[in-house]
Amino acid sequence: DADVTQTPRNRITKTGKRIMLECSQTKGHDRMYWYRQDPGLGLRLIYYSFDVKDINKGEISDGYSVSRQAQAKFSLSLESAIPNQTALYFCATSDTGEWSDEQFFGPGTRLTVL
Amino acid sequence: GESVGLHLPTLSVQEGDNSIINCAYSNSASDYFIWYKQESGKGPQFIIDIRSNMDKRQGQRVTVLLNKTVKHLSLQIAATQPGDSAVYFCAENSKAAGNKLTFGGGTRVLVKP
Repeated sequence: DADVTQTPRNRITKTGKRIMLECSQTKGHDRMYWYRQDPGLGLRLIYYSFDVKDINKGEISDGYSVSRQAQAKFSLSLESAIPNQTALYFCATSDTGEWSDEQFFGPGTRLTVL
Repeated sequence: GESVGLHLPTLSVQEGDNSIINCAYSNSASDYFIWYKQESGKGPQFIIDIRSNMDKRQGQRVTVLLNKTVKHLSLQIAATQPGDSAVYFCAENSKAAGNKLTFGGGTRVLVKP
């Protein structure tokens, strides 16, 4: 079984719709992250959470919100989707030890906003 | 803001040859670096990492070199195989910046048979 799972894997929606992307992990990690990846570009951080009560904005948080429902679950919402939010979205987790900066990524969700 | 970048967007290499992927970073406070491999349709996968108090680290067929003087990071892949075809990202972390990874734009490696 995959350690970091994302649902759905693919989604096509229309402008103005509310969308939720979900991430679950079985690694027991405290830290979770949401990134978006655009063609030919690296990953950009949207939001991150270092524990259940902690939510932090990344570099491109506008138009997104998140919820950390439990240690194992971190969801990303687009309140009113727009076409330039079409991208590949990745969830990641990491541990909290000193040498713990390695992040483990899910398989990604491909979102298309028409 | 601080960023991590790559010199070459695409690298074509003959099977069996060695590959070198380069990365320049601008944040002199970065203290941890990672190389990730991303195959088509998959999420990034950890390859190797290095701390800022090291200048070289070796793994299985891969070596990461860190030159802090010129803020340069490289990934060397020995005896490149078809399965090495992917996009490779460098990422840097600075605890002073809140312990978040900043990713470069990626280099695509194409292995020719």
